[in-house]
Amino acid sequence: NAGVTQTPKFQVLKTGQSMTLQCAQDMNHEYMSWYRQDPGMGLRLIHYSVGAGITDQGEVPNGYNVSRSTTEDFPLRLLSAAPSQTSVYFCASSYSAISRRGSPLHFGNGTRLTVT
Amino acid sequence: AQSVTQPDIHITVSEGASLELRCNYSYGATPYLFWYVQSPGQGLQLLLKYFSGDTLVQGIKGFEAEFKRSQSSFNLRKPSVHWSDAAEYFCAVGASGGSYIPTFGRGTSLIVHP
Repeated sequence: NAGVTQTPKFQVLKTGQSMTLQCAQDMNHEYMSWYRQDPGMGLRLIHYSVGAGITDQGEVPNGYNVSRSTTEDFPLRLLSAAPSQTSVYFCASSYSAISRRGSPLHFGNGTRLTVT
Repeated sequence: AQSVTQPDIHITVSEGASLELRCNYSYGATPYLFWYVQSPGQGLQLLLKYFSGDTLVQGIKGFEAEFKRSQSSFNLRKPSVHWSDAAEYFCAVGASGGSYIPTFGRGTSLIVHP
């Protein structure tokens, strides 16, 4: 089982550049989400999706876009990178957002992004 | 709104000693509660979860947690810590109404001394 796969593992960007962090899951999960993890801040939700074609904003959405054209993929786009977006990004998925509210999240191994 | 508090940012224990990591939640109804562990450079992995029933739940790697409704707590315990348990531990509460968006605590970093 591949689970949740994130690419790349590491990335360095210059301020103003754009890029896409990839996330794919092979568990047929309906719910997918993106978090950023910063020291002392825990995990903060950026965007989430409860199914293909449906996305919504989390706690810290500014500067990021998402789309969900398939059940498997949930890419995160940085439109114009800023040093404040230096962080570790995690993609997570679970079976369902509605009918199985107790479903635990399955996490990818993260993407460490540095913006200079 | 639901919230989770992990009062301890860092905990240091000696190998072989017992461990208790604290978690307090705020939620009106009976919550879904989780503990996750994050090893360095890795994503989060589920340790255990509580939905209903027996208030003492067993997880992987010898961990257990006890749900105490009267104290709004879900503390994680292990009787004897191993050096490999050094990691970041996150408590989370899942909503029981509306869209499922779990809320995470800020984490507790466990340091294990030999």
